[in-house]
Amino acid sequence: EAQVTQNPRYLITVTGKKLTVTCSQNMNHEYMSWYRQDPGLGLRQIYYSMNVEVTDKGDVPEGYKVSRKEKRNFPLILESPSPNQTSLYFCASSLSWGETQYFGPGTRLLVL
Amino acid sequence: DQQVKQNSPSLSVQEGRISILNCDYTNSMFDYFLWYKKYPAEGPTFLISISSIKDKNEDGRFTVFLNKSAKHLSLHIVPSQPGDSAVYFCAASPAGGTSYGKLTFGQGTILTVHP
Repeated sequence: EAQVTQNPRYLITVTGKKLTVTCSQNMNHEYMSWYRQDPGLGLRQIYYSMNVEVTDKGDVPEGYKVSRKEKRNFPLILESPSPNQTSLYFCASSLSWGETQYFGPGTRLLVL
Repeated sequence: DQQVKQNSPSLSVQEGRISILNCDYTNSMFDYFLWYKKYPAEGPTFLISISSIKDKNEDGRFTVFLNKSAKHLSLHIVPSQPGDSAVYFCAASPAGGTSYGKLTFGQGTILTVHP
């Protein structure tokens, strides 16, 4: 089944404890992206990747890192999480930029 | 600075009637626009899109209208069904340049369709 998977789906952590949210797609998509959803703000793009080893900042990249070492995976890294990073995170992928993006189920993160 | 705005947080309509969701944008570099639908506990799913070279795109019950001079787009759902109840996000992207690959979303509108 073609899909975008994210792990974990739910995570509670404490300020400063490094964490990684994984994102994987099995559709051989070139483009991948991370978003966060917050009440009243909608979805905001964190980072995106046009292809392997090519990443770029979205609208809200501060406090996040990404890497794209292989086509299928695009992990989101929070080196030192803070409470303002409490949010619902979505990973998405598409065949290439401009094609329909398919979203993962989301990861709900709470930073205490 | 919200470059894509959905000024109506919620909309309630009767089953069978038309739902009209609106979206405004400020960045004149945007030239491709999309609508996504999101149910609770799921990721957004693509609904319909429109390029700036068109002013209308239709797909079944869903039609998107683009007014470039007003920097405004709208999504029409006719007829509305209870299963359409969801959050609707509009999104916009630029043609190219340094922002190629970026996608900017609005805040979302909660649509409730009553039986």
